[in-house]
Amino acid sequence: NAGVTQTPKFQVLKTGQSMTLQCAQDMNHEYMSWYRQDPGMGLRLIHYSVGAGITDQGEVPNGYNVSRSTTEDFPLRLLSAAPSQTSVYFCASRDSTTIDYTFGSGTRLTVV
Amino acid sequence: GQQLNQSPQSMFIQEGEDVSMNCTSSSIFNTWLWYKQDPGEGPVLLIALYKAGELTSNGRLTAQFGITRKDSFLNISASIPSDVGIYFCAGQNNRGSTLGRLYFGRGTQLTVWP
Repeated sequence: NAGVTQTPKFQVLKTGQSMTLQCAQDMNHEYMSWYRQDPGMGLRLIHYSVGAGITDQGEVPNGYNVSRSTTEDFPLRLLSAAPSQTSVYFCASRDSTTIDYTFGSGTRLTVV
Repeated sequence: GQQLNQSPQSMFIQEGEDVSMNCTSSSIFNTWLWYKQDPGEGPVLLIALYKAGELTSNGRLTAQFGITRKDSFLNISASIPSDVGIYFCAGQNNRGSTLGRLYFGRGTQLTVWP
């Protein structure tokens, strides 16, 4: 039982490049979310999903796409990276019957 | 979106002192949670509060769910060096259009001097 696994842990991109941040959970959780964390800003919700095939926007969705084709995986795509997307990204999941989200250990992204 | 105002933003205390932080919201929540984040890690749940007025303890931690459902506080007694980290409040409604969404405060950075 690995919990929530995020890859990669670190990434440097050039402006305009695209990439996908991976998130996988092995707990059969229905709910999954992506957050970004910036100094002094707390955790801001990017996109979330309440089940396979269902996604919705959070507070800061612009520049990011998601899909949820399986219960286990919730990838976050940056289509054209910008310096403003330099941040630490966290994926989290929870069961629909509980309230506690389990977080991954994060992906630190730098866009130059 | 719903805003959570968490204070203080940072605290510098001596080992053994008590700590208090609080969170207020412009909207009502039916669940309040407190998380702690260690450096390089994701947040981990400390305490969850389920109803207005509830007071819950977990070791040296005590948290309360405000009567108005728009606020919560967290106390840490007799702080120790491993209490260092960022503490986040979070609110959740778990129904309707906000189902599955967890709203976070901006965090309180706690530093404990030996």
